[in-house]
Amino acid sequence: NSKVIQTPRYLVKGQGQKAKMRCIPEKGHPVVFWYQQNKNNEFKFLINFQNQEVLQQIDMTEKRFSAECPSNSPCSLEIQSSEAGDSALYLCASSPQGRSYEQYFGPGTRLTVL
Amino acid sequence: GDSVTQTEGLVTLTKGLPVMLNCTYQTTYSPFLFWYVQHLNEAPKLLLKSSTDNKRTEHQGFYATLHKSSSSFHLQKSSVQLSDSALYFCALGTGGYKVVFGSGTRLLVSP
Repeated sequence: NSKVIQTPRYLVKGQGQKAKMRCIPEKGHPVVFWYQQNKNNEFKFLINFQNQEVLQQIDMTEKRFSAECPSNSPCSLEIQSSEAGDSALYLCASSPQGRSYEQYFGPGTRLTVL
Repeated sequence: GDSVTQTEGLVTLTKGLPVMLNCTYQTTYSPFLFWYVQHLNEAPKLLLKSSTDNKRTEHQGFYATLHKSSSSFHLQKSSVQLSDSALYFCALGTGGYKVVFGSGTRLLVSP
């Protein structure tokens, strides 16, 4: 069973508010991914890190989304100004060294933007 | 670009019957293929993985064989159970750290 921890499990925000969620990757996994899973269950890749460095991110992430994985602290994903279209399940996954395609997911943070 | 296609959005079956969920992919890289299962309100879990051509991989009664000649990695089970009702995602590991997910197939097993 995956040991990726995500908090909070549920988050409700008004439009324009900040929304912040956290992820503790599985111990010893240096690579962390964030995905948005929409109501149609489609996965959208947002950003990934190796240790504290950003590997890849999509354009959407660069504008209103910010993420970091500081040393010795949880990783975080923050939406600066939430929009209704941001309502989704945000999944964090981590991968072991040398096996970055194997992803171990946390339970997700379900964001609802009113 | 890299892509994964799952043709069935919903598959409904009676327990005890066999199932095959389709997955085809496109990539210019050497492929790593995965199946993930996501039960209601739970995290997706890795079910199967393969990068070896024509070798069957099995786990928890499910099995799949990567066929590079047809770019396929179909998921099969010989006898589905009620507990198999879930969303199933096929995923492709491509160059770099990127993983591309298919659109998912919901499997509903009835008594």
